[in-house]
Amino acid sequence: GQQVMQIPQYQHVQEGEDFTTYCNSSTTLSNIQWYKQRPGGHPVFLIQLVKSGEVKKQKRLTFQFGEAKKNSSLHITATQTTDVGTYFCAGPLGRGSTLGRLYFGRGTQLTVWP
Amino acid sequence: ETGVTQSPTHLIKTRGQQVTLRCSSQSGHNTVSWYQQALGQGPQFIFQYYREEENGRGNFPPRFSGLQFPNYSSELNVNALELDDSALYLCASSYGGEDYEQYFGPGTRLTVT
Repeated sequence: GQQVMQIPQYQHVQEGEDFTTYCNSSTTLSNIQWYKQRPGGHPVFLIQLVKSGEVKKQKRLTFQFGEAKKNSSLHITATQTTDVGTYFCAGPLGRGSTLGRLYFGRGTQLTVWP
Repeated sequence: ETGVTQSPTHLIKTRGQQVTLRCSSQSGHNTVSWYQQALGQGPQFIFQYYREEENGRGNFPPRFSGLQFPNYSSELNVNALELDDSALYLCASSYGGEDYEQYFGPGTRLTVT
């Protein structure tokens, strides 16, 4: 089963409201990556976090990596209709025989009402 | 656009048939990963190829197989198709393994009837 858990599964907000999605791993991650998938599209890389406690910003988006490198969050300030889509976190789990495996969370589907 | 291309875009097959999906990686990338994305789910890792060798495999049966060519393009082959194989198949290229960002292609939508 999934080893990277993401909540909530769905989030409906009115334009201008804030939005946060959370990601939790069962094990320590060497890095965590965030992707956005628009309806009918494919995942698009947003950012990678590597350091414990790291915080990165991209305009209205703020990404955090937990101190224990087991959890992460994405926060969007003042959502816009262009933010609509599903946001996925993904992290590498395992080494050796499982090298190369990137686990994706189930995603948080964001809907924004105008 | 990422520069990763996939073909075909859509495909309809019958249960028991075989299918080959193709992926051209982004220029300069030597690693290709394949994912299966069922409706409403996150991408599930199938396997990864690095410099023409398999470099990790997810929980998929042996009827899912792949190849990577010297130009780093790749194929995903699925034998004995089952109804549950209906999904979006995504190819992602990267410069290295799982520690590097993945650049996804547009995907191939496979429907098995």
